Amino acid sequence: AQSVTQLDSQVPVFEEAPVELRCNYSSSVSVYLFWYVQYPNQGLQLLLKYLSGSTLVKGINGFEAEFNKSQTSFHLRKPSVHISDTAEYFCAVRAYSGAGSYQLTFGKGTKLSVIP
Amino acid sequence: NAGVTQTPKFQVLKTGQSMTLQCAQDMNHEYMSWYRQDPGMGLRLIHYSVGAGITDQGEVPNGYNVSRSTTEDFPLRLLSAAPSQTSVYFCASSYMAGFTGELFFGEGSRLTVL
Repeated sequence: AQSVTQLDSQVPVFEEAPVELRCNYSSSVSVYLFWYVQYPNQGLQLLLKYLSGSTLVKGINGFEAEFNKSQTSFHLRKPSVHISDTAEYFCAVRAYSGAGSYQLTFGKGTKLSVIP
Repeated sequence: NAGVTQTPKFQVLKTGQSMTLQCAQDMNHEYMSWYRQDPGMGLRLIHYSVGAGITDQGEVPNGYNVSRSTTEDFPLRLLSAAPSQTSVYFCASSYMAGFTGELFFGEGSRLTVL
């Protein structure tokens, strides 16, 4: 079964510093990968997705991620974080669930805390 | 633009009580799902549906029932609540089951079972 592993449960970073949130996925022939963000007391929203094509994917709010097939990784990066980026970030992979349907399997999340 | 609407937002139950968490979407999405979120566990899929009349189990289905009589609604029933079901529950929908798009989430329902 497809799975993702988020390597850090918490990441503190100073405002305007760069950040990388790490995600590794289990290998498969084809893989669709996603990053979602959850702000405090809210539901999740899509940050970016990799389906195929360019391995560098740009998302909302200045975030980007790089798909690395040899490393089976999909790390999320931002060159300069803001206080408003404080949130929990989830990596997810599309998994086949049988009978022609799919489901999203989420990692355990990484809490990003931006320090003023 | 309502999107995915969950009710109630908060609920306290006693062990053994039953209740239904409501979920409605107005985007004509085929796919709907329920997740639970627990600290350090991420989101785990409870049940999902790829269309009216079609439901299937996810990773953690025990103690929960679902039905999908209309495209818009996907209620989650707790048959006999247990403290282990204390969690935040999220309903999510997508326009297709293939997930080349995205999941749209509700704001969550926080359930406490005493």
